[in-house]
Formats: sequence, structure tokens, C-alpha cells
Amino acid sequence: QQPVQSPQAVILREGEDAVINCSSSKALYSVHWYRQKHGEAPVFLMILLKGGEQKGHDKISASFNEKKQQSSLYLTASQLSYSGTYFCGTRENQFYFGTGTSLTVIP
Amino acid sequence: DAGVIQSPRHEVTEMGQEVTLRCKPISGHNSLFWYRQTMMRGLELLIYFNNNVPIDDSGMPEDRFSAKMPNASFSTLKIQPSEPRDSAVYFCASSPNREYYGYTFGSGTRLTVV
Repeated sequence: QQPVQSPQAVILREGEDAVINCSSSKALYSVHWYRQKHGEAPVFLMILLKGGEQKGHDKISASFNEKKQQSSLYLTASQLSYSGTYFCGTRENQFYFGTGTSLTVIP
Repeated sequence: DAGVIQSPRHEVTEMGQEVTLRCKPISGHNSLFWYRQTMMRGLELLIYFNNNVPIDDSGMPEDRFSAKMPNASFSTLKIQPSEPRDSAVYFCASSPNREYYGYTFGSGTRLTVV
């Protein structure tokens, strides 16, 4: 089943923080996070495999809850370069991408 | 590494014509995926290969679509005959192992069928 992402869109000023959520009705094997800029291909950010896992690099991090049904992507002190559409991808038996969250960072 | 290489970048064709999209995955990646992206439907998996063998083609829209992977370094997606509703961006992606690694996407082929 396709995961549900929220919010659909968010506008931030530089330096502000954002959280993007990804939910499933079933326990997942894994969660991927990708960022896609307009006219470009999705770029892999990170994968989470274990319940309770948290990982990240620079100011972008993600968590996977203990039940493995929800993941959140955290963007702190946002930069203009963070603008784009963020997708989660979740795997039960099959892999599905979420509908995406459009994130716009303005000066 | 040059990444996942797709060709052509853009394709404009007339309805009814055959279209072939090409993909060269990253060397050593044994999983290959073809995705289609549209505004209405988002990213849809068309077909997934593992070690050159098609594992899941349930996303292939209909018999007009076919995909092959004759060796580890090349895959094609063919549409015959093409229809205007096939217009989309088609991405190829590869991964060392779809269980534990993310996917590296190619730059995509923007297909327009008129």
C-alpha cells in the first residue's frame, strides 16, 4: 500500500526547521527517503531498517518508530538548497513511493 | 562511477510509433528498476529485475509495454504502439541490493507522444 505523507507542502524561511511524516497501516521492512529537485531525478538520502532507528547526516535526519509503521524526516536550520520534493519509499512485500512533500525554502 | 545512464534524455514521437528507452545501471548493482513519473500518479514502479531476471512486472500497464535485461549492464523498456497517455518521465534506477540499500536513479527520459 502507498504510504501517506504529510504535509503535502511546506514553505520555510532559511534557518527554520521542518518535519515530514510518512505513515503506513502495516509494519514495514524498511523506509527510504529521497529528495527530488524540479526537472531532476530523485536522490537517495537515507534508509532505515530497524524499529527505533535514528540516523542522519549534516542537518537532515530521520527516525523509524518502534512499530515500524511511521517514519519522520527532520530538516533543521533549513538552507535554500533544501528546496525540492521529498519522497518516502516504504517496503512491505512490495515497494511504494509516497505522494511527496513539496518543501520551499525562501530567503 | 558515471552513475545510472539513460538514453535518450528526451523523446518526442507520434502516436502508434515504437519507442525504446535504454538504461545502463551502475556496475556491480544487481537490482534494476524502471519507474514512470507523472503529476497525476507520482512515481510508479513498472518492473524490477534482480540479477537480470524480471522479478515483478505487475506495474507494467499493458501488453504494449515490455522490458528486457539481456546482461548486467543494459536494459531496455519498449512501448509499442505508443499512445499520448504514455507521456511521462521514465526513470531507471539501480541498487546493490534492494533490501538494504537505496536506489540510484538515472537522469530520466522525458517521453512525449503526440
